[in-house]
Amino acid sequence: NAGVMQNPRHLVRRRGQEARLRCSPMKGHSHVYWYRQLPEEGLKFMVYLQKENIIDESGMPKERFSAEFPKEGPSILRIQQVVRGDSAAYFCASSEQEGNQPQHFGDGTRLSIL
Amino acid sequence: GENVEQHPSTLSVQEGDSAVIKCTYSDSASNYFPWYKQELGKRPQLIIDIRSNVGEKKDQRIAVTLNKTAKHFSLHITETQPEDSAVYFCARINNNDMRFGAGTRLTVKP
Repeated sequence: NAGVMQNPRHLVRRRGQEARLRCSPMKGHSHVYWYRQLPEEGLKFMVYLQKENIIDESGMPKERFSAEFPKEGPSILRIQQVVRGDSAAYFCASSEQEGNQPQHFGDGTRLSIL
Repeated sequence: GENVEQHPSTLSVQEGDSAVIKCTYSDSASNYFPWYKQELGKRPQLIIDIRSNVGEKKDQRIAVTLNKTAKHFSLHITETQPEDSAVYFCARINNNDMRFGAGTRLTVKP
């Protein structure tokens, strides 16, 4: 049973470009979460999605950031017009069902902005 | 979501000693408390968890205790080994809403 798959592992963008980060949850998991981690810091919640629905986006910046989890395909975290401050590791996690279930993490995407 | 306070931020122990990391939370509706270990450059990995109907749980050298009345929970690692060196994060979950502590960098000196 494959774990949470994220790609790309590393992504380099120039200021003003767009970054698209992908996450495929574990098989059988229908809940996806995105977190951001700055170097030497903790994990900050960004957004929680179920298929075709955003459940909680209270941690997402209001501008430039968006997320989706379509009926088919991976969840996408999209950052438009990237700035240097967007450089971070972005982790995706998934869980099996509603309620208090463990979240399992992918290997993350390390985003670097030149 | 409400924050989780985690202490200490760094912890250095001698190999074979015990390590204790403590967390407090304020969201009284939280009822699931996982702990994650993150090695440098790697993903956070779930190492142990506890639910609010349990006061203590043990898995080999790792144990977690929960005091729901006081809203604090702790991770205990006994007989520490150099490979235990990592950053440890506590978390609380209330109905899929998971919030992390700031992390504890544990260094086990051989």
